[in-house]
Amino acid sequence: DIVMTQSPDSLAVSLGERATINCKSSQSILYSSNDKNYLAWYQHKPGQPPKLLLYWASIRESGVPDRFSGSGSGTDFTLTISSLQAEDVAVYYCQQCYTTPYTFGQGTKLEIK
Amino acid sequence: QVQLQESGPGLVRPSQTLSLTCNVSGGSISSGNYYWTWIRQPAGEGLEWIGRVYASGTTHYNPSLKSRVTISVDTSKNQFSLNLSSVSAADTAVYYCARNLRYGGHFDFWGQGTLVTVSS
Repeated sequence: DIVMTQSPDSLAVSLGERATINCKSSQSILYSSNDKNYLAWYQHKPGQPPKLLLYWASIRESGVPDRFSGSGSGTDFTLTISSLQAEDVAVYYCQQCYTTPYTFGQGTKLEIK
Repeated sequence: QVQLQESGPGLVRPSQTLSLTCNVSGGSISSGNYYWTWIRQPAGEGLEWIGRVYASGTTHYNPSLKSRVTISVDTSKNQFSLNLSSVSAADTAVYYCARNLRYGGHFDFWGQGTLVTVSS
């Protein structure tokens, strides 16, 4: 199985400041035939299902604010929230979509400082 | 807008079979562009992919659960189901059904989730 490791486990950021979450896969999840990285990011709030934010590492899902962005390739990826809002408090997960069994990172809990 | 809704018992006895159904509305489960997936999350833990089914009935399972899992689809009812046999307390979790892009692998629509507790 591909192991997904996120860092940090938790993060406290001031409102309006930048938040950065890292995700590392145990093997490359770049599909060479189409040059796409099969990496998705989700936001998970208590009592709600996870919400898809980004797929193919950097493509924002429809309706997701543009303060959320994704970058990286191969095995190293980053989710950036450019200006933290109060509603962004949640746990964030990365997920490799490269091969089954699909696997998720352990999650990063984002709080307001 | 596609909507998914899980249903099934909230309490299952140890060694019994956990059975859940996911009803899909706002779109056809027979669309060729999607797999239909089950994911679970034990309390305080991360997300675990259980497996998926295609409209044709083709399935893929997590090897860690493969011996106990069956996922099936009923296109006439626009729903798919999860059976997990020989459950133990370790199977206590919130179970989600989700739509899985066939050519992307990500999950774009999720059910609200249902808590299943395994206890005598």
